[in-house]
Amino acid sequence: DAGVIQSPRHEVTEMGQEVTLRCKPISGHNSLFWYRQTMMRGLELLIYFNNNVPIDDSGMPEDRFSAKMPNASFSTLKIQPSEPRDSAVYFCASSSTPDGTQYFGPGTRLTVL
Amino acid sequence: GQNIDQPTEMTATEGAIVQINCTYQTSGFNGLFWYQQHAGEAPTFLSYNVLDGLEEKGRFSSFLSRSKGYSYLLLKELQMKDSASYLCAVRGISSGSARQLTFGSGTQLTVLP
Repeated sequence: DAGVIQSPRHEVTEMGQEVTLRCKPISGHNSLFWYRQTMMRGLELLIYFNNNVPIDDSGMPEDRFSAKMPNASFSTLKIQPSEPRDSAVYFCASSSTPDGTQYFGPGTRLTVL
Repeated sequence: GQNIDQPTEMTATEGAIVQINCTYQTSGFNGLFWYQQHAGEAPTFLSYNVLDGLEEKGRFSSFLSRSKGYSYLLLKELQMKDSASYLCAVRGISSGSARQLTFGSGTQLTVLP
């Protein structure tokens, strides 16, 4: 079975550019989570969806970040405009229920120059 | 809020046993997870405890004491491939994001030959 799929795996961009990260959850999973991981702050929850609906986006750092889930098999995390401090690894995870075990995708390593 | 503490680094010898501790302070508790993360890879699920006691799964065991806000991950018969970061994560009981996982900073385990 395919796990969580993320693309791209690596992204290098310049400050001010728009960045879009993509995620396909495990088929049949109804909950999807976006995390950011840095050395300084560890693994932080940004936003999570249940049945395609955003439940809590209180972890989203600021208005430059937005996330959508147009259907059960696809989600995007967009940063516009990007800044060097956004450099991190962004993980997407999914679970069968909001309280279920979360399974992580391979992550997108973002570098903003 | 939630606060999670675990040692930053540990070193052990191949074939030995190592115990990684995690203490937490939470406004509510609804389960504790352990994840393994190899360098440059995604976190992978190891174990889940919601009731007091020991959960055993092959070479790995996890223990929970809710009254003490304490958990440990026990790794037996250490192998070189066990060198990784081990993340403790706690789930709260409130609605919204507090119900989701808060991760510790991780314990980097190095297994020496």
